[in-house]
Amino acid sequence: GAVVSQHPSRVICKSGTSVKIECRSLDFQATTMFWYRQFPKQSLMLMATSNEGSKATYEQGVEKDKFLINHASLTLSTLTVTSAHPEDSSFYICSAGGTYLYGYTFGSGTRLTVV
Amino acid sequence: AQSVTQLGSHVSVSEGALVLLRCNYSSSVPPYLFWYVQYPNQGLQLLLKYTSAATLVKGINGFEAEFKKSETSFHLTKPSAHMSDAAEYFCAVISEEGGSEKLVFGKGTKLTVNP
Repeated sequence: GAVVSQHPSRVICKSGTSVKIECRSLDFQATTMFWYRQFPKQSLMLMATSNEGSKATYEQGVEKDKFLINHASLTLSTLTVTSAHPEDSSFYICSAGGTYLYGYTFGSGTRLTVV
Repeated sequence: AQSVTQLGSHVSVSEGALVLLRCNYSSSVPPYLFWYVQYPNQGLQLLLKYTSAATLVKGINGFEAEFKKSETSFHLTKPSAHMSDAAEYFCAVISEEGGSEKLVFGKGTKLTVNP
């Protein structure tokens, strides 16, 4: 089945620095990937839809300049949290390969802690 | 836009007892529905999906769900709970907005299995 690899699984960074999270489709090509954010004990909130070769589509209320998304190839999308602050600490999850027929495959998530 | 409502943020059952997790959808057209499971600090794993074929859908790990149009429900069940079923469960629906398709999640139900 479809496998989505997300890296790193955990990262701690200092306030003001930037962090990059990678999402790779290992055995299929993904023209579209999705980035979610999950607060403790809450559901997943879609942040943006990443489209290969074009600009990402951000959900309302998500800062484009804060959360930079790059989908440069059919197997890789990256989310960069720029100038991170403690309030950016969260669990970030990507998904790919989604269609209503096949469901959506999720990465294992990245726990970001900004200190 | 389509949405789902999960009744009960916490469900506690004894090992061997029936598991029932409730999900109601809001859609004026036949929806595409999913149940996902999330273990601590991990991504989401697809349990099962409804794509307008059979109304009773069987998934992995002994779970199944029945699509009931008259009740706008898609409840998740398992005849006999195992300790390993303890996790967070999310119901989700495909929502099409602005020409794009995305997955919308319920708030989740945390399942506790008592020995």
